[in-house]
Amino acid sequence: QQQVKQSPQSLIVQKGGISIINCAYENTAFDYFPWYQQFPGKGPALLIAIRPDVSEKKEGRFTISFNKSAKQFSLHIMDSQPGDSATYFCAATGNSGYSTLTFGKGTMLLVSP
Amino acid sequence: DAMVIQNPRYQVTQFGKPVTLSCSQTLNHNVMYWYQQKSSQAPKLLFHYYDKDFNNEADTPDNFQSRRPNTSFCFLDIRSPGLGDAAMYLCATSTGIDEQYFGPGTRLTVT
Repeated sequence: QQQVKQSPQSLIVQKGGISIINCAYENTAFDYFPWYQQFPGKGPALLIAIRPDVSEKKEGRFTISFNKSAKQFSLHIMDSQPGDSATYFCAATGNSGYSTLTFGKGTMLLVSP
Repeated sequence: DAMVIQNPRYQVTQFGKPVTLSCSQTLNHNVMYWYQQKSSQAPKLLFHYYDKDFNNEADTPDNFQSRRPNTSFCFLDIRSPGLGDAAMYLCATSTGIDEQYFGPGTRLTVT
């Protein structure tokens, strides 16, 4: 059972545009929602994360929007750059003493020059 | 500075020949994880250690085993690799709460 649904599977955005990736979760016990960025041949790297007590978190060009009632969260990349071209994974976990991540299936982002 | 180190970065093994992948960390984190990632897929958790407490995912094949001799090191043993085991293997660490820090991965090829 997939507990975190991510869309779209792939995304092409022009340089300078806004990239938007959406995720939805089912498990109401989830209370921590990170986004990971992965370049080909590399391990995932934590990009930004949010807890349900806030509706938005911004770090530079990256913003997470969180809708607790809808059980949805999204990543917005403002002023997208070719260097942002990577695969993005949303994830969720519950603070149960130790955390295991439930990943979305990933979105392959291509930012065209 | 590397915080999660995986060796080797690339490993080629023959069908059925045991192989061991290594992970070390300088973060002194309690929890270490092993993931398998195939092309265009999300990382799939194989197992994890909370200190010395081993936790195996229900669908992890018996062919995969792990050892954690101390806080810093963790090993993934594949007893009889099959062609379907070719993948990127990722090690990650965490304090047990929130962020997981991933290593660069080991790309395993099975011939």
